[in-house]
Amino acid sequence: GDSVTQMEGPVTLSEEAFLTINCTYTATGYPSLFWYVQYPGEGLQLLLKATKADDKGSNKGFEATYRKETTSFHLEKGSVQVSDSAVYFCALKTGNQFYFGTGTSLTVIP
Amino acid sequence: NAGVTQTPKFQVLKTGQSMTLQCAQDMNHNSMYWYRQDPGMGLRLIYYSASEGTTDKGEVPNGYNVSRLNKREFSLRLESAAPSQTSVYFCASAWTGTSTEAFFGQGTRLTVV
Repeated sequence: GDSVTQMEGPVTLSEEAFLTINCTYTATGYPSLFWYVQYPGEGLQLLLKATKADDKGSNKGFEATYRKETTSFHLEKGSVQVSDSAVYFCALKTGNQFYFGTGTSLTVIP
Repeated sequence: NAGVTQTPKFQVLKTGQSMTLQCAQDMNHNSMYWYRQDPGMGLRLIYYSASEGTTDKGEVPNGYNVSRLNKREFSLRLESAAPSQTSVYFCASAWTGTSTEAFFGQGTRLTVV
């Protein structure tokens, strides 16, 4: 069945470090791919998305490219800030169903 | 524009008690979802509704029932709460179609003692 596997956490980085959170997927058909962010005590918020192969989603300095050949959608940011500390979820959607990864907790220290 | 609104935000129940979690969206979305979030498990789908009047089981439906009251509202009922249902519950909604994202409520933190 369809599924998402993302990098285990927690991840701790110093401010201004480079961030990569790996995400790979298994899906039949042509899914859309998403990254969501969850701040403490809040619901999930869409960070970025890509709806077809080779699309790049970007928002707030975060980027991810839909790679069909490697079935991946890795999240990157060139210089993280303390305010980026949160849990990040990779997800795919096929039809009307969403499939979420288990989440990666990121802590950025000053 | 409120988006997705869930009530209550916090609840403590005793084993065997019942309760209903309410969810309403004001974005005219067709699809609505109930998830539970547990540490290390990510989000697991309990039930979803593709349109008004239809509901389908997700990955973990046992112990829950749902009602899609109208296009805006999708409630989740626990008939006889168990400690294993201690979790954070999220409601979400989305437009129909593969390319559309989900919008989430703020969550209900439920503890069953």
